[in-house]
Amino acid sequence: QQQVKQSPQSLIVQKGGISIINCAYENTAFDYFPWYQQFPGKGPALLIAIRPDVSEKKEGRFTISFNKSAKQFSLHIMDSQPGDSATYFCAASMTRYNQGGKLIFGQGTELSVKP
Amino acid sequence: DVKVTQSSRYLVKRTGEKVFLECVQDMDHENMFWYRQDPGLGLRLIYFSYDVKMKEKGDIPEGYSVSREKKERFSLILESASTNQTSMYLCASSSRSGAGELFFGEGSRLTVL
Repeated sequence: QQQVKQSPQSLIVQKGGISIINCAYENTAFDYFPWYQQFPGKGPALLIAIRPDVSEKKEGRFTISFNKSAKQFSLHIMDSQPGDSATYFCAASMTRYNQGGKLIFGQGTELSVKP
Repeated sequence: DVKVTQSSRYLVKRTGEKVFLECVQDMDHENMFWYRQDPGLGLRLIYFSYDVKMKEKGDIPEGYSVSREKKERFSLILESASTNQTSMYLCASSSRSGAGELFFGEGSRLTVL
């Protein structure tokens, strides 16, 4: 019940295309859903995050769509660029139970954007 | 600029050796974490700490221990390294009052022969 399942494991997109990565969770106590971006040789860094009281959050070319009833959320990267090539992780946590920061991560998606 | 520093980027150890991975953060964060990253498995939580001298087991604590004697420093210890502990180890910190964002170090890649 603590798992977060992420798909696909790898993704190849042409420059200018839309990249879509999906995650699903079981635990309805999760109340914070971030996405992290990791470049080779670097640690993951927060990209964008959402709480379940909204269905969508957009920051530039990055959008999180959240479906509370289906217990799913996804990352959309519009106009994908070669510089977006990285590994992306979805995650979830229960901040209301004083476990803020204890993130459960998905399996990761390796995105490659071809010029 | 906020920073989490992991002392060793690359280590090669032999089976049975004791291994110390050190992590220091300069953000005065209360929370610190050790994750292990393996391809296809994502990041899995080994141990975490919400305060000095406090520690709690994560999802995969077996074969590991931790130490937090000072607020800024969180150490991961492999008492007797085994080949299945070959992995990338990531340290992270977060503020108790923050929104939950984790700040990660650049990782320590450990190879156990």
